[in-house]
Amino acid sequence: DTEVTQTPKHLVMGMTNKKSLKCEQHMGHRAMYWYKQKAKKPPELMFVYSYEKLSINESVPSRFSPECPNSSLLNLHLHALQPEDSALYLCASSQPGQQNQPQHFGDGTRLSIL
Amino acid sequence: GIQVEQSPPDLILQEGANSTLRCNFSDSVNNLQWFHQNPWGQLINLFYIPSGTKQNGRLSATTVATERYSLLYISSSQTTDSGVYFCAVRRRGSSNTGKLIFGQGTTLQVKP
Repeated sequence: DTEVTQTPKHLVMGMTNKKSLKCEQHMGHRAMYWYKQKAKKPPELMFVYSYEKLSINESVPSRFSPECPNSSLLNLHLHALQPEDSALYLCASSQPGQQNQPQHFGDGTRLSIL
Repeated sequence: GIQVEQSPPDLILQEGANSTLRCNFSDSVNNLQWFHQNPWGQLINLFYIPSGTKQNGRLSATTVATERYSLLYISSSQTTDSGVYFCAVRRRGSSNTGKLIFGQGTTLQVKP
């Protein structure tokens, strides 16, 4: 779903680095999501923002810090990550407040921790 | 929590063949989506289908909500259909920004 744009597409970082993943959507959606996907596994939810407020945190370690600066942007700040955090990070959006709305996914950021 | 089971786990087809992928879920749902994840990792929406039948070209899907299963039909398969097909659901009664629960996926390989 190219309507959700994620940058960068690939990121390699050391365990002491600080970096951020970015997600942007222009569909007017007011719910945005971060998922993590390990190789050969399905995506797993990390965070949900609804109307720019954090509504779900799936017990994610504090080295992952989400931020929703406005209704079309979602960031994931990374600090002191571990090698096991290497994965594909997917952003999604949907329209809350209405029944039966699908989630639309970006192409993901492939993250490698050295 | 709700369980989502997909079958078969792996499928190898010759180009031009038809196939049916199945998704069983253990509770009532208010959202069911089928996705195709291509070899580059892109997760592509195929269908949003909490109930009923939809068709899009060579693909079609049917969800029988009362019996808690969904089927994805691929006709005249092409090599570009290769990848992993995921079914994902959201439990009925949960918020409409609630989490999607993914099945383990069906890995499809279409040989030329």
